[in-house]
Amino acid sequence: QVHLVESGGGVVQPGTSLRLSCAVSGYSFRTYGMHWVRQTPGKGLEWVAGMWYDESNESYADSVKGRFTISRDNSKNTLYLQMSSLRVEDTAIYYCARDVAPAAIGSFDYWGQGTLVTVSS
Amino acid sequence: EIVMTQSPATLSVSPGDRATLSCRASQSVSSNLAWYQQKPGQAPRLLISGASTRATGIPARFSGSGSGTEFTLTISSLQSEDFAVYYCQQYNNWPPLTFGGGTKVEIK
Repeated sequence: QVHLVESGGGVVQPGTSLRLSCAVSGYSFRTYGMHWVRQTPGKGLEWVAGMWYDESNESYADSVKGRFTISRDNSKNTLYLQMSSLRVEDTAIYYCARDVAPAAIGSFDYWGQGTLVTVSS
Repeated sequence: EIVMTQSPATLSVSPGDRATLSCRASQSVSSNLAWYQQKPGQAPRLLISGASTRATGIPARFSGSGSGTEFTLTISSLQSEDFAVYYCQQYNNWPPLTFGGGTKVEIK
């Protein structure tokens, strides 16, 4: 059974950094692309970043480019999102999601339960 | 960036009735369109990919159609567990991957 479990969320001040993790089990992590998607409480969904199965390709939304970095450790079955220079508008629930393909096609067949990041002074 | 527009924002439907949800892309996304269902406090769940292919375990009452810029999700006979928010998402031209604003299906 596929499981994705996010961790690392919390309350932080603007301008600071935070690293999210997504621990994966139930399938061969190294064979699928992965993404981070966020959702502002009560609002819609926004794709944040994605990475191919072998780390050879990564992409970012313009709103986070240069501030966030997606990475993965295939030996630890874990996906990461390093967030820096956080802004109030980064406040959201952050989901990790599995792509349906190794070389990320861009649709998501499994999602974690999400971790809440609150950026506030 | 491809903008996805969903309509209506809210759809009031009686159990057992048919629900038809629309999604429009600002430019052609071919058939690279997915639909997700989200219930309160839960993560989204993939329903449909490739515009019309049901994901594993999705009941046959859910069907998707369309290509290019106009897409439809139809729920043939609404069950109590189907009342939720539905999102469309394009994956034809990215980054960025983009979602519609969602349609809330509520009990009439």
